[in-house]
Amino acid sequence: DVKVTQSSRYLVKRTGEKVFLECVQDMDHENMFWYRQDPGLGLRLIYFSYDVKMKEKGDIPEGYSVSREKKERFSLILESASTNQTSMYLCASSSLGGVANEKLFFGSGTQLSVL
Amino acid sequence: DAKTTQPNSMESNEEEPVHLPCNHSTISGTDYIHWYRQLPSQGPEYVIHGLTSNVNNRMASLAIAEDRKSSTLILHRATLRDAAVYYCILVYGNKLVFGAGTILRVKS
Repeated sequence: DVKVTQSSRYLVKRTGEKVFLECVQDMDHENMFWYRQDPGLGLRLIYFSYDVKMKEKGDIPEGYSVSREKKERFSLILESASTNQTSMYLCASSSLGGVANEKLFFGSGTQLSVL
Repeated sequence: DAKTTQPNSMESNEEEPVHLPCNHSTISGTDYIHWYRQLPSQGPEYVIHGLTSNVNNRMASLAIAEDRKSSTLILHRATLRDAAVYYCILVYGNKLVFGAGTILRVKS
């Protein structure tokens, strides 16, 4: 079965800390995505990547950066965590060809709390 | 971005068909219609997608209106495991914009 694995299910960090969220997919997908999900706001795209070392900003990239050094791994970095970054973070992947005619595979999510 | 409108919630009896409606009157010619569902404490799960023609897969059917301004997700026999939030999404390029979705409750 295809799999997108996020390193942590729950994470608690302090304001100002640098936070790394890791995502690994085993489907040899070219495209990988980071979303955050907040009540009443749905899922919002933070960053996505078409290929190794390639990245594109999504709708809400401020306060975040990403790294894709290997095809299977896409990391989301919170440079200096703030309380308004408390959220559920979801990683997803899809094969080449774009998302429009492909399906996204999501991980189970990381619930991040910033205190 | 084109928008979708779905009912906030729906209820169904187990083993009966469920029709989940979605309005997307601002859809453009190249927007694909996708459906995902999200079970509690899990990431969204792909259900089905289409462009113009009706689509069937092992999970569900997608009926798309001729003018493409609305669509309906059909679960042929609802089970308790189908209780989830169902999202109807228009997709162009690499962008999925999730709305609030429909909470589906299934009664035994």
